Amino acid sequence: DAKTTQPNSMESNEEEPVHLPCNHSTISGTDYIHWYRQLPSQGPEYVIHGLTSNVNNRMASLAIAEDRKSSTLILHRATLRDAAVYYCIPHRSGNTPLVFGKGTRLSVIA
Amino acid sequence: GAGVSQSPSNKVTEKGKDVELRCDPISGHTALYWYRQSLGQGLEFLIYFQGNSAPDKSGLPSDRFSAERTGGSVSTLTIQRTQQEDSAVYLCASREGTVNYGYTFGSGTRLTVV
Repeated sequence: DAKTTQPNSMESNEEEPVHLPCNHSTISGTDYIHWYRQLPSQGPEYVIHGLTSNVNNRMASLAIAEDRKSSTLILHRATLRDAAVYYCIPHRSGNTPLVFGKGTRLSVIA
Repeated sequence: GAGVSQSPSNKVTEKGKDVELRCDPISGHTALYWYRQSLGQGLEFLIYFQGNSAPDKSGLPSDRFSAERTGGSVSTLTIQRTQQEDSAVYLCASREGTVNYGYTFGSGTRLTVV
C-alpha cells in the first residue's frame, strides 16, 4: 500500500474554504485516491475518489496533482458539521480493503 | 435497507465470555469488511468477504477471532474468551464491487469487556 502523509490537524473558520492536503508519493499508476471522513462517534463516511482528473460532487472537490503524488480535498464552505477526521487513502481498483492512516483532524470554528 | 446495519450498538461482556457481533450489509453488496477502532486509535482492518468467501483474514488478531458470512449477506464476527484489550468499536462496511462506488460503513458496535 502507498504511504500517505497528512497534517495531524487543521483548523478553519465556518463558511470559509478548506484545503486538506495529502502526499502519496509512492502511489502506483492504478491506485485510485479515496477520501473518507469520520465524524465523532460515527463510522467513516465516503467523501470522494478519483484517479487522474479533478472530481467534484455535492460534498467536496478533489484536486489531483499532475504527477499524482499529492492531492487536495477541498471543502468549499466549511460548516460545523464538517468537523471530523479526514482520511486520504490510495487504493487499487477491486474490493481489497481500505487501509486507514491517522488522517487529519479538522476543527471548524464558529 | 438504506445503509449498513450493525447490532448490537453496544455490548458489555465479562472477561472470558464469547460475543457475537452482527452486520447486515446493503442489499446486493458483494464485498463486506470488518474493522475495529480502539479508543483514540485508527481503524484496524480485520477481515473481508467477497460473497461468502474470505480472501483476506490477515487482520484477525488471534485465533479467538472468527467471522462468517452466509447467503452473501449477513456476517457475524465472533470473539471467544474475550479479553479487556478486545474493547473497541467494531465497524462493518460493504461495497457493491465496482470502482465507481465507495465503501459504506455502519455505525459500529461498541464492545466493552469488564
